Amino acid sequence: GAGVSQSPSNKVTEKGKDVELRCDPISGHTALYWYRQSLGQGLEFLIYFQGNSAPDKSGLPSDRFSAERTGGSVSTLTIQRTQQEDSAVYLCASSSGGWGGAQYFGPGTRLTVL
Amino acid sequence: DAKTTQPTSMDCAEGRAANLPCNHSTISGNEYVYWYRQIHSQGPQYIIHGLKNNETNEMASLIITEDRKSSTLILPHATLRDTAVYYCIVKGQTGANNLFFGTGTRLTVIP
Repeated sequence: GAGVSQSPSNKVTEKGKDVELRCDPISGHTALYWYRQSLGQGLEFLIYFQGNSAPDKSGLPSDRFSAERTGGSVSTLTIQRTQQEDSAVYLCASSSGGWGGAQYFGPGTRLTVL
Repeated sequence: DAKTTQPTSMDCAEGRAANLPCNHSTISGNEYVYWYRQIHSQGPQYIIHGLKNNETNEMASLIITEDRKSSTLILPHATLRDTAVYYCIVKGQTGANNLFFGTGTRLTVIP
């Protein structure tokens, strides 16, 4: 079946502009995660959605970052007033929910802020 | 969640078994051991996970010691496409919901 998809695959923007990154999770998965990975670095957790519960935003690095998940499916990560340090690969993952389940990752969106 | 320790890098000859070790001596009773890998320029890929019994799937086998303080991921017949960074992650029911990816083991499969 279809895996996690993300769009765009690449995004180049100018410093100070806003960007939106999209994630389509695996159908039926109730949990959705956003991570980012800077060049040569490990994954950094950003935010987690589980069903209708309030999201876990503990990993968001600043108030310029926000995310929403509409209808329990598609999620959008928004970065306002982008900075050069925001350049990274942004990865989305979904799982069937509950602990003990595997997370399935999308291919990521490579964001470059000039 | 318990901390894990993995070797920084390993090499394996193509066609041979790759055995990747992981130490998790502080693991608690309700924490699972997960293995993921990340091939260059791709998102992480789930491989396998287990609690205390050995597990096998189409990708790999996971051997967990009886005291659960260490485990080994086995790729039975490594191919060049298995070259990747392999992450051992311990995750329990409590604590953060996200996975913590450490530095992992960079496995290079050599022709």
